[in-house]
This record gives sequence, C-alpha cells and structure tokens, in this order.
Amino acid sequence: QSALTQPPSVSGSPGQSVTISCTGTSSDVGNYNRVSWYQQSPGAAPKVMIYGVNNRPSGVPDRFSGSKSGNTASLTISGLQAEDEADYYCCSYAGTYTFVFGTGTKVTVL
Amino acid sequence: QVQLVESGGGVVQPGGSLRLSCAASGFTFENYDMHWVRQAPGKGLEWVAFIRYDGSNKYFSDSVKGRFITSRDNSKNTLYLQMNSLRVEDTAVYYCAKYRTIFGVVPKYYFDYWGQGTLVTVSS
Repeated sequence: QSALTQPPSVSGSPGQSVTISCTGTSSDVGNYNRVSWYQQSPGAAPKVMIYGVNNRPSGVPDRFSGSKSGNTASLTISGLQAEDEADYYCCSYAGTYTFVFGTGTKVTVL
Repeated sequence: QVQLVESGGGVVQPGGSLRLSCAASGFTFENYDMHWVRQAPGKGLEWVAFIRYDGSNKYFSDSVKGRFITSRDNSKNTLYLQMNSLRVEDTAVYYCAKYRTIFGVVPKYYFDYWGQGTLVTVSS
C-alpha cells in the first residue's frame, strides 16, 4: 500500500493548462479504472473533481479532465483560474476494498 | 443536505485508545458504504478503513490493521473508529467519507461527501 506518486508542485499562469500525473502500479492504477481526483483548499475537506478516471461530477467545471495510460493517471486543468489554486490528490482502488491516495500536488496560479 | 460530523478527537498518550464518531444526516445512511481517511499535519491524505453499508465487511490499511476497529450503528446513523495502541505517527485529522456508487455497465465509485475532520494528537 505505497502512496501513488505525484509531483510536489505544478504552476501556471491564468488561462494556461497544467497536468498532474499520478503514478501507481499494476496492482492499483494500472489494474482498475477507479481513479478519482480530489481538490483540497487549506483547512477544508477534500472535494471530488474527477471519478472513474475521466468523469466529472455535476458542478465541477469542464476545464477539469482526467485520463489514464498504463499505471499513470493524469488530471489536466485547462484555462487555469486563480480559484484552482489548491492541493490535488489522486486516489485509486487497490483491490479487496482497499484504496491508496497520491502524495499530493500543490497547484500554484502565478 | 448531506452532513457528516466527526467528534471524539483529542490528545492521548502513546499506547492509549480513543473512539471517534461520525454522525451522518441528509441521506439514508444504512444504504451506503463508508470510509475513514486521515491526514497528518502538513501531509497528504491516507486511506484508513472501509465498512460495508450493513457492517458485514471491514478492511483496513496495513498501517492500522490489528489496532483500529470500525463499526456502525445504522439505527443511530453513526459511524465509529475505535483506535487502540495509538502511536505518535497516528497523529492526524481523521475524516469520515461517504462512498458513492454510480451503477451502470461499468460501475463507478468515489468519495462524494466528507466531514470536517477531527484532530487526534498522540503525544506524551
């Protein structure tokens, strides 16, 4: 149950696109299409942004998108906005009702 | 509206025990699987435990297996986490989270609601 690997930080100017990678193994990310992404602002609880690799819950802007290739999932924020500045975590199912989160990525809007 | 309210956090010495509660409202609690997730100060999220909607199955992360127990009382709409043999490294904000299943040809799942968290500090 090792944490999924994410870059510690990414940054971009307003309007630009940023992509956060989430690398796991063939036992988690690579074996299940059950990757979700969560946004967490300081002092707040996490909020789901993407589920099932590439599905957006209602209310989440369409500038957020997800994908997966092999053992790596990705979250892309297109048209970056100041309000997107937060920490982002991926999460994958790892079999037998166990789950693993990513190490987290801080998104900074320059 | 869905609400999850954790309580029971506090300061405890290493080796001690603590029981957290998560009071649920705004949805049919007995129909949903639930999870515990924790976050050490300044660190990332860590999945801790899962319990089926009827309490029939429970699973834990390797880091807490054998020390933590989770249970639920569907008549009281409440989820519990009994934490024993606490270690300094268990210091964290503990969140309960509702698990949503979207049924279909390929079911999809995610944590759709989270509580505000309760802080557990293990220190001598």
